[in-house]
Amino acid sequence: GESVGLHLPTLSVQEGDNSIINCAYSNSASDYFIWYKQESGKGPQFIIDIRSNMDKRQGQRVTVLLNKTVKHLSLQIAATQPGDSAVYFCAENNQGGKLIFGQGTELSVKP
Amino acid sequence: SAVISQKPSRDICQRGTSLTIQCQVDSQVTMMFWYRQQPGQSLTLIATANQGSEATYESGFVIDKFPISRPNLTFSTLTVSNMSPEDSSIYLCSVEGLAGDEQYFGPGTRLTVT
Repeated sequence: GESVGLHLPTLSVQEGDNSIINCAYSNSASDYFIWYKQESGKGPQFIIDIRSNMDKRQGQRVTVLLNKTVKHLSLQIAATQPGDSAVYFCAENNQGGKLIFGQGTELSVKP
Repeated sequence: SAVISQKPSRDICQRGTSLTIQCQVDSQVTMMFWYRQQPGQSLTLIATANQGSEATYESGFVIDKFPISRPNLTFSTLTVSNMSPEDSSIYLCSVEGLAGDEQYFGPGTRLTVT
């Protein structure tokens, strides 16, 4: 029979506001994390990464925060724009060279 | 980052047939990976494509169903064999970046099996 896909968590923000997307990771031994943006019909696009020896890293309009104590990762997008609408995935590298992806969050930006 | 292309971009196939997906990179890379993304879901690693040796498959994926070739450092293929509707997914290849930890993805191949 037909399989039913999981309903992704959705975040809806007003254009110009800041967005915060959260992710919980599973492996306390993971030492490297990446945020990806996936627009409809496209492959995941690398946004920003962070290593476990850091707790914050900033890029252009984006900031990633890492809290190893509670195994939590967040992506902050400043001044969110309609072009930021996409599904955002966090991924952890579990020291085996393999990426394990989170479930994803769908960001919707209202003009 | 490397420029990655995939062929075909999409296809509709009948059950019981096989489809081979190509992944081409514009520069030599050591590590190439194949992922599956089922409708509305996240990405799951199928296997690591090793140049000059057999691919390394993740739990739940087998060579008979997903044979992989890696003839050189810029090219790999993934075959989805004896397809069923449950194989309808986006199939993505990725390559490691210069730092060795990050991965960059191709545009994906959207497969529908009827």
